[in-house]
Amino acid sequence: EPEVTQTPSHQVTQMGQEVILRCVPISNHLYFYWYRQILGQKVEFLVSFYNNEISEKSEIFDDQFSVERPDGSNFTLKIRSTKLEDSAMYFCASSGTGGNQPQHFGDGTRLSIL
Amino acid sequence: AQSVTQPDIHITVSEGASLELRCNYSYGATPYLFWYVQSPGQGLQLLLKYFSGDTLVQGIKGFEAEFKRSQSSFNLRKPSVHWSDAAEYFCAVGAVKAAGNKLSFGGGTRVLVKP
Repeated sequence: EPEVTQTPSHQVTQMGQEVILRCVPISNHLYFYWYRQILGQKVEFLVSFYNNEISEKSEIFDDQFSVERPDGSNFTLKIRSTKLEDSAMYFCASSGTGGNQPQHFGDGTRLSIL
Repeated sequence: AQSVTQPDIHITVSEGASLELRCNYSYGATPYLFWYVQSPGQGLQLLLKYFSGDTLVQGIKGFEAEFKRSQSSFNLRKPSVHWSDAAEYFCAVGAVKAAGNKLSFGGGTRVLVKP
């Protein structure tokens, strides 16, 4: 069964540094998402992406965050200048055409900011 | 705004016993509802989904869920639990947009299975 893959599985970064989290969505999916889960808290929506542009973003997704689909297979989340509170598990997801398609999630990237 | 509440943070169940996980949602229109499971170190795996039609939906691994509009609930059930069902379970509600559907998750219920 096709799956969403995320790299790296764990990223340790110094505060203030830029970090890029990578995702390869399922190949025929057209909608892409990022979520995060701070330890002990709910999974929170960050951003959705369709047709090479952001379709929706949450309040969390401020100017420090950006997303990109640099080629036909990758989907990236960049955090420009990381803060301690960015430490979390970041999940990428993708879904097929239509609003009623379920989202398929990757295994996540654990981001630790020191 | 959409939201999901999972009232039980932890549930301990004996292997072979039945399991029911509660989920209550708040959403202004007909919701799209999902249950996901997360095993340690793993991502979120879709167990089942409800969009419309039959209110009892079957999923993978022997799970089922029942949508009750009058109670704003979407409880997950399994008749006989296996040790491999120990995991964290998340209920989610989807907001239907023209492009994709943002999910709002509950806080999760961690299931422990006793031998």
